[in-house]
Amino acid sequence: NAGVMQNPRHLVRRRGQEARLRCSPMKGHSHVYWYRQLPEEGLKFMVYLQKENIIDESGMPKERFSAEFPKEGPSILRIQQVVRGDSAAYFCASSPLVREEAFFGQGTRLTVV
Amino acid sequence: QQQVKQSPQSLIVQKGGIPIINCAYENTAFDYFPWYQQFPGKGPALLIAIRPDVSEKKEGRFTISFNKSAKQFSLHIMDSQPGDSATYFCAASFQGAQKLVFGQGTRLTINP
Repeated sequence: NAGVMQNPRHLVRRRGQEARLRCSPMKGHSHVYWYRQLPEEGLKFMVYLQKENIIDESGMPKERFSAEFPKEGPSILRIQQVVRGDSAAYFCASSPLVREEAFFGQGTRLTVV
Repeated sequence: QQQVKQSPQSLIVQKGGIPIINCAYENTAFDYFPWYQQFPGKGPALLIAIRPDVSEKKEGRFTISFNKSAKQFSLHIMDSQPGDSATYFCAASFQGAQKLVFGQGTRLTINP
């Protein structure tokens, strides 16, 4: 059973470009969570999704950030018009049920130049 | 009230010693307290987790102590090894995996 798969592992974008981060949850997991980790800091919750539904997006910045988890395919975290402050590691986690353990992917390290 | 405060920020212990990492929380509605281990360039990996109905949980060399009245919990690593050198994060949530609130992390170094 493969773990949570994130791609790309590293992503470099120029200011103003769009960044798309992908996350395939573990098999049998229908709950997906995105977290952001700034250098030397803990992870900060961004959004919680189930298939075709956003359950909690209270940690998402109001502008430029969006997330989806379509019926088919991976979950996508999209950042439009990236700025230097968006440079961080973005982690996706999944769980089979909301009260079960969350398993994290390897992360996508976004660098905005 | 949503914060989880973790200390120390960094810790150096000799091999075989028992590093202790502490976390404190404010929100009494939290009911799930996991610890994660993270190596450089990797994602966090769940080590051990506890719910507030027990005061201690052991898994291998890792022990969580939980003090509900003080709103504190801690991680102890018995017989620490250089391979345990990593960053450790405590976390808390209302409902298991959902919306984990993480501490700032502790960078642990175990010297040979």
